[in-house]
Amino acid sequence: GEDVEQSLFLSVREGDSSVINCTYTDSSSTYLYWYKQEPGAGLQLLTYIFSNMDMKQDQRLTVLLNKKDKHLSLRIADTQTGDSAIYFCAESIGRGSTLGRLYFGRGTQLTVWP
Amino acid sequence: GAGVSQSPSNKVTEKGKDVELRCDPISGHTALYWYRQSLGQGLEFLIYFQGNSAPDKSGLPSDRFSAERTGGSVSTLTIQRTQQEDSAVYLCASSLGVGSTYEQYFGPGTRLTVT
Repeated sequence: GEDVEQSLFLSVREGDSSVINCTYTDSSSTYLYWYKQEPGAGLQLLTYIFSNMDMKQDQRLTVLLNKKDKHLSLRIADTQTGDSAIYFCAESIGRGSTLGRLYFGRGTQLTVWP
Repeated sequence: GAGVSQSPSNKVTEKGKDVELRCDPISGHTALYWYRQSLGQGLEFLIYFQGNSAPDKSGLPSDRFSAERTGGSVSTLTIQRTQQEDSAVYLCASSLGVGSTYEQYFGPGTRLTVT
């Protein structure tokens, strides 16, 4: 199946790093994504990583992918109160009739304390 | 338009009534997706359109759910004889094409409450 698992909650102090973890089951995933959802808003794509990469860095965001363990993480450096939101991990299998479908985890609620 | 828009933003309906949810994708986006976000199930894929056709309807939870897209633009998701378990936020997304390389842009969602 295409199960994507995340822990539900994470709390950090402002200025610290946050690490949000995700595991997935389908080894044929082509892309893996991190989305952010702020209250009352839709999902915003933060970053993504292709399955043949190990790491991707984009300003304060670092994505690490361990294909052997099917583990994905998102590290946010110097976390700010504005980073408080729900973060979703998602995978794309990208084949056949499921080409367009994304499979999401349940989301991790990140709370940043001042 | 500037982004994906959905209407209504909130809908409260009585059990057994039919509802229609609307999605206006970003102009020029050929692919359109419907997802459902609920407390019990997280974010679930429902259906996607490539142009006006729907190659993958397997996420629709029952035959009470249907969706259509006309003119390669606006889509409506219809839920007949609504049940309380249909209460959720229904999200629409669009992308330039279908496939992993195309970013899906999400609308703000329609919050449906069935009483």
